[in-house]
Amino acid sequence: EDQVTQSPEALRLQEGESSSLNCSYTVSGLRGLFWYRQDPGKGPEFLFTLYSAGEEKEKERLKATLTKKESFLHITAPKPEDSATYLCAAARGSTLGRLYFGRGTQLTVWP
Amino acid sequence: GAGVSQTPSNKVTEKGKYVELRCDPISGHTALYWYRQSLGQGPEFLIYFQGTGAADDSGLPNDRFFAVRPEGSVSTLKIQRTERGDSAVYLCASSSGSQGTEAFFGQGTRLTVV
Repeated sequence: EDQVTQSPEALRLQEGESSSLNCSYTVSGLRGLFWYRQDPGKGPEFLFTLYSAGEEKEKERLKATLTKKESFLHITAPKPEDSATYLCAAARGSTLGRLYFGRGTQLTVWP
Repeated sequence: GAGVSQTPSNKVTEKGKYVELRCDPISGHTALYWYRQSLGQGPEFLIYFQGTGAADDSGLPNDRFFAVRPEGSVSTLKIQRTERGDSAVYLCASSSGSQGTEAFFGQGTRLTVV
């Protein structure tokens, strides 16, 4: 069964305290691994797409990495404005545009 | 438009009523998706359009749910005989192609069935 699991469910960090969010997936024929940010009451906002193991992408304080079984979203020196829910999603080779989402990690960064 | 637009932003309806939710995708995007998100959960796939046709409707929970995209742009998600369990945020997304290209989401329509 195709599945995407994110951990932890919630994470509280002090401003400047770096950490990582985990996304493990069991999706056959992975075509892409996506990270989104979602603020309360808003739709998911696209952050990164990773296509193959070993690939890394960066944007400001965020860096996403991909292995054959999991992806990590590393947050370096976070700020309160980084507080949001971070969603991971996988696309399979046989199901065209459909994304399989995890439940997300709710990140809170306090000053 | 600049982004994916969904209307209405909020909809309250009585159990048993019919509702329509509208999605205006990003101009030129051929792929359009509907997802449903319950509180504390990730988005759950409903249906995917490539152009005017439904390429994958395997996520529709039952035959009360139906979606159309007659001209390959605007899409409408239709729910008949609504039930309290249909209450959720319905998200629409669009992308420029099929797999491997990022999907951009709208703000969602919060549906409450009372």
